[in-house]
Amino acid sequence: DTEVTQTPKHLVMGMTNKKSLKCEQHMGHRAMYWYKQKAKKPPELMFVYSYEKLSINESVPSRFSPECPNSSLLNLHLHALQPEDSALYLCASRRPGRVNEQYFGPGTRLTVT
Amino acid sequence: GIQVEQSPPDLILQEGANSTLRCNFSDSVNNLQWFHQNPWGQLINLFYIPSGTKQNGRLSATTVATERYSLLYISSSQTTDSGVYFCAVERLGNQFYFGTGTSLTVIP
Repeated sequence: DTEVTQTPKHLVMGMTNKKSLKCEQHMGHRAMYWYKQKAKKPPELMFVYSYEKLSINESVPSRFSPECPNSSLLNLHLHALQPEDSALYLCASRRPGRVNEQYFGPGTRLTVT
Repeated sequence: GIQVEQSPPDLILQEGANSTLRCNFSDSVNNLQWFHQNPWGQLINLFYIPSGTKQNGRLSATTVATERYSLLYISSSQTTDSGVYFCAVERLGNQFYFGTGTSLTVIP
C-alpha cells in the first residue's frame, strides 16, 4: 500500500477565512512534506517534517502554518491568504533512511477569493 | 540551490512513437525520481533511479550521476501517456527540487 490521502480535494476560501488542509498516510513513513504547485509550474517544497519535527521551512510566509500531530498525520493551517496563494497543494511522505522514494497524495486545489 | 532543467519543454507525438526526455542537474545529488503528473494533478511514481538503468514495461530510465543527467525513455507511446513528466532530485536531508517539466501530448 503506497497511499497518501488528502482532504479536501477542493477548497474555496476568502482572504479573512481560516481553514486547514489534511494529509494522512499509514505506511509507517516518518518524513512528510508540503509542496505548492502553481499552474504550469513544477511543485515547490514548502515544509518538511522528519519524525514529527519540522526540519525544513523554505521561507514560507507565516500565513501558512504546518502541524504534525502524529506520525501519520500532517496539517497545513491557512489564515489571511492572498489570491496569489491559489494553487495545488501536494502532500508527500517517505520512509526513513537515505535511499527511499517519495509518494504523493492527490492534492488539494485551493482558490482564494 | 540546485538547478534542474528538463528538455524538451513540450513534445507532441503520434501514438506508437518513441521519445526520450532529459533531466540535467547542476550539482551532485543523492536521489532522483521520475514522475508523471496526470491531468488531475496526481503525481505518479515512475522510477526511483539515483544511478544506473531501470525498466518497467514500455518505460525505462537511465541516470549518469557523474555527468549529472537522467533520461526517461517512452516506447510505443499511448494516449494515456499524455501529461507532464517531472524529475526531482535530492541533495541533502529531504530537500527535493523538481525539474522544469516536459509536457507530453500523444495524439491518436
